[in-house]
Amino acid sequence: ELKVEQNPLFLSMQEGKNYTIYCNYSTTSDRLYWYRQDPGKSLESLFVLLSNGAVKQEGRLMASLDTKARLSTLHITAAVHDLSATYFCAVDTNRPSSGTYKYIFGTGTRLKVLA
Amino acid sequence: DTAVSQTPKYLVTQMGNDKSIKCEQNLGHDTMYWYKQDSKKFLKIMFSYNNKELIINETVPNRFSPKSPDKAHLNLHINSLELGDSAVYFCASSQVTGSNQPQHFGDGTRLSIL
Repeated sequence: ELKVEQNPLFLSMQEGKNYTIYCNYSTTSDRLYWYRQDPGKSLESLFVLLSNGAVKQEGRLMASLDTKARLSTLHITAAVHDLSATYFCAVDTNRPSSGTYKYIFGTGTRLKVLA
Repeated sequence: DTAVSQTPKYLVTQMGNDKSIKCEQNLGHDTMYWYKQDSKKFLKIMFSYNNKELIINETVPNRFSPKSPDKAHLNLHINSLELGDSAVYFCASSQVTGSNQPQHFGDGTRLSIL
């Protein structure tokens, strides 16, 4: 069974600090997604990582993927209050050609950036 | 233009009632999903339809019945609502066939059972 685990579940950090959120998954996949959810809002796509070694950056966030270790990281540089949200990774093992579909979200990491 | 829209946004009802949530996407995607997000923010997939065909049906009570009249719509009907059904239900869509694009989510329906 495909499992996706995030670490930590809760993160409280000071503005200006750096931190990394980890996403481990239990089966072979070469497609991983990161989403952001603000309180009471919908999920918004942040990054799509499609191959081993993929790295994407947007502002203070950088995501990477190591398919051999089945690990993705979301690194936060010099955090600001506006980054406070819940971050989810999701693993996609959809194979339409074989009729198999699986899309599993991680447990989520609730990030609070303190001023 | 809202890409994935679901109605209603809030639903407050009594235990035992039957209710429906509607979802429509105007992105031309071939796959639509229903997720349940509980109070701890865990997101769990309930159903997925690809071109109007059911492709994922996770362990969900049979009181929940999805219906896809066409590939742009996926509705969720819930019979005999129970207290444990209180959650936020998200509809999403994506292009699964020949694409590596992320899912697009609706704004959620906040269901509260009294």
